Amino acid sequence: DAGITQSPRHKVTETGTPVTLRCHQTENHRYMYWYRQDPGHGLRLIHYSYGVKDTDKGEVSDGYSVSRSKTEDFLLTLESATSSQTSVYFCAISESGPGGFSYEQYFGPGTRLTVT
Amino acid sequence: GENVGLHLPTLSVQEGDNSIINCAYSNSASDYFIWYKQESGKGPQFIIDIRSNMDKRQGQRVTVLLNKTVKHLSLQIAATQPGDSAVYFCAENFDDMRFGAGTRLTVKP
Repeated sequence: DAGITQSPRHKVTETGTPVTLRCHQTENHRYMYWYRQDPGHGLRLIHYSYGVKDTDKGEVSDGYSVSRSKTEDFLLTLESATSSQTSVYFCAISESGPGGFSYEQYFGPGTRLTVT
Repeated sequence: GENVGLHLPTLSVQEGDNSIINCAYSNSASDYFIWYKQESGKGPQFIIDIRSNMDKRQGQRVTVLLNKTVKHLSLQIAATQPGDSAVYFCAENFDDMRFGAGTRLTVKP
């Protein structure tokens, strides 16, 4: 998994509680991404980061926030979890961004989140 | 990291045969494409990529073909093995990367 770890790997939480997922990389890649994967859908981008403290929204960002205080760590927070946020969450990294030479994204092992 | 994929297209091949997995992409201006493999319970794994100025690219046992005229991408796997069983999906880049839902490949021994 290209030096990417995610924690926790599994989590069950109740509606209305805050949840934070962590992504840690050892590749020193500039770009980091959070995706969610749901049955019948392709991966959908939640947020991404193009550097420390530099983040931007993706396609499905409502209800999520992110932070990146160090190159190696990218946190995803569900401010008040809802059942519609039950999903598998993947972190990805890439050396460069869109149009860059090394834009291929490498993924972590995923976090399965269940909101009851 | 399971892609449950209850309604994914499926492809079943015999071990040793060649597999061809297809993908229709959406944006004629997309300039970069990737094929990923995802095994049950794991994250997507990069297989091969191709830029829009190319028609074909080969890797180890895999070939990607790009037909920009009909916005079609294919992944050919030579001498398919049981370990190739997985969900395969393509991704296209325009302003950002967009991913297809995938095709489930099953290899029969």
